[in-house]
Amino acid sequence: EVQLLESGGGLVQPGGSLRLSCAGSGFTFSNYAMNWVRQAPGKGLEWVSSISGTGGSTYYADSVKGRFTISRDNPTNTLYLQMNSLRAEDTAVYYCAKRSGITVSNTSPADWGQGTLVTVSS
Amino acid sequence: QTVVTQEPSFSVSPGGTVTLTCGLSSDSVSSSYYPSWYQQTPGQAPRTLIYNTNTRSSGVPDRFSGSILGNKAALTITGAQADDECDYYCVLYMRSGISVFGGGTKVTVL
Repeated sequence: EVQLLESGGGLVQPGGSLRLSCAGSGFTFSNYAMNWVRQAPGKGLEWVSSISGTGGSTYYADSVKGRFTISRDNPTNTLYLQMNSLRAEDTAVYYCAKRSGITVSNTSPADWGQGTLVTVSS
Repeated sequence: QTVVTQEPSFSVSPGGTVTLTCGLSSDSVSSSYYPSWYQQTPGQAPRTLIYNTNTRSSGVPDRFSGSILGNKAALTITGAQADDECDYYCVLYMRSGISVFGGGTKVTVL
């Protein structure tokens, strides 16, 4: 059974940094592209970033480009999201999602974690 | 700015059929956009229903189906049940590597 467990969320001041982690199990981690999707309180889903199975290709939404960095450590089956220069509008539940194939292209999110809440406030 | 459009809300009678759509502001949706559909109840993580246009995710009943209808992707729910009442989101894969979610459709069963 695929399991994705996010951690690292919390309260941070505007301008601060936070690193989210997502531990994957129940599948061959390196064989799947991964992504982060967020949902602000009372709002819809927003794609944030994707990374290929090898880690060689990364993509970002314009709203986070230059501030967030996605990475992965395949030997430990862990996905990361380094978030810098955080703003109030980054407040959301952040979901880790496994895509349906090894590449980002021509695939889509297929399995989801339960999410971790990030609150940016002074 | 690419906008993915969904109906804000839809009502369906118990046992009835409803078709939700997922469109693009600037193009026709085809299978090359790999449309996928997700179901979300309040306070819960999304659940994948359909990916790659019409592939049903494991454990999803066959009364949920995906297709391309005209210039949009579509999710059809047949034999609607009370617990189908929740939010539904589509996502499209853009050739540039990014994905874009629609704004979601709130389905009411009454």
